[in-house]
Formats: sequence, C-alpha cells, structure tokens
Amino acid sequence: DADVTQTPRNRITKTGKRIMLECSQTKGHDRMYWYRQDPGLGLRLIYYSFDVKDINKGEISDGYSVSRQAQAKFSLSLESAIPNQTALYFCATSVGVSETQYFGPGTRLLVL
Amino acid sequence: AQTVTQSQPEMSVQEAETVTLSCTYDTSESDYYLFWYKQPPSRQMILVIRQEAYKQQNATENRFSVNFQKAAKSFSLKISDSQLGDAAMYFCALLDSNYQLIWGAGTKLIIKP
Repeated sequence: DADVTQTPRNRITKTGKRIMLECSQTKGHDRMYWYRQDPGLGLRLIYYSFDVKDINKGEISDGYSVSRQAQAKFSLSLESAIPNQTALYFCATSVGVSETQYFGPGTRLLVL
Repeated sequence: AQTVTQSQPEMSVQEAETVTLSCTYDTSESDYYLFWYKQPPSRQMILVIRQEAYKQQNATENRFSVNFQKAAKSFSLKISDSQLGDAAMYFCALLDSNYQLIWGAGTKLIIKP
C-alpha cells in the first residue's frame, strides 16, 4: 500500500468551479506540503503545514487554500478554478532531522 | 534568494555506460541538505540520493553517487551502468533554512539501448 495517497488522480473541471484535492499519509509524519508542477519547471510550493495548527503560505499560494484536518490529512482547495491552474499537483510529507520529502503519486488537473 | 540551476535540459547515454548530471546552487547557509529526485513517465517523484552539507563524504546509493563540491556550490549526480529503467526527469533540490525545497528545472535523461 502507498504511504502517501492523493485523490483524485486526474480531474477535469471548468473555470469558476470549486475543487478539492485530498492527500492522506500513513507514514506518521508531521509535516505536509502541496506543490504544483508545470511543464519545463521544477516544483513550486503552494502551502505547507508543520502540524495540525501550523499552516504556512508557500511561493505561490494565491488562488489556493488548504485544510489540515488531522495529522494524516491535508487538503488543497481551488475556490474558483482558472485555466492557468492547470498543472500536476503533488502532496509530500517529511519528518524531523532528515527532512527528506516523500511524495504522493500526483493529481493531474485540467481547468477548461 | 536561494536558487538551484540545472544547465542540461536533456542528456542521453548508451545503456551500460556512465552519465553525469550537473547541478549548481546558491545559498548563504552553511548547513543544508541537497537531494536528487527522479520522475519517470509514471510521474511519481522518487528520491534518488541525499547529501548533508556538513558531511564531506559524497553520498552513494548503489549505482548512483554524487560529487559534492561545497565551495563551488556544485552537486552533480553520476549514474553508473545506466539501465533502461533510469530513463526519467531528474531534479536537483536544495532544502532551505525554512525547511522548504528549492527545485531546479530538471534534466531529461534518455537511455539508448
């Protein structure tokens, strides 16, 4: 079983719709992250959370919001989707000293 | 600002040969972590190797090794005995003092059979 799961894996939506991407982990890690990846670019950080009560904006948080429902769950919302939010979205987790981040399989989002 | 640069958009290598992927970075920190991640066509992001800056010894993981030059701020990845399954995008990343990963743009590695 995968340690970090993301749902849905693929999603097509229309401009203006609200959409939620969900991430769950069984690794017991405190830290969780949301990234987006665009063609030809590395990953860019949207939001990160060091525990349930600690949520921080990343490099490109505009147009996004997050919710840390529990240690194991971290959701990303697009309140009103727009076409330039079409991208591959990754959730990741990490813990403590090593700080290695472990990634989910990604969600491919297309906004029409 | 901290940056990571991968100057090779694409590299190709013959199967069973050795290839080196380049990465340079800029940071004012003295202690930090560097990573290489692999992204195959399945799009999963997979950790290849990790290096702590305070360690002088270069990290190795089986056929993968790094050449870490702290003074030059260089962190190259060497893949020995290349295999078809090594074909992927490879990303270099730097963990900054806020525990955020700064990513390079990636290098596409092609393995020729």
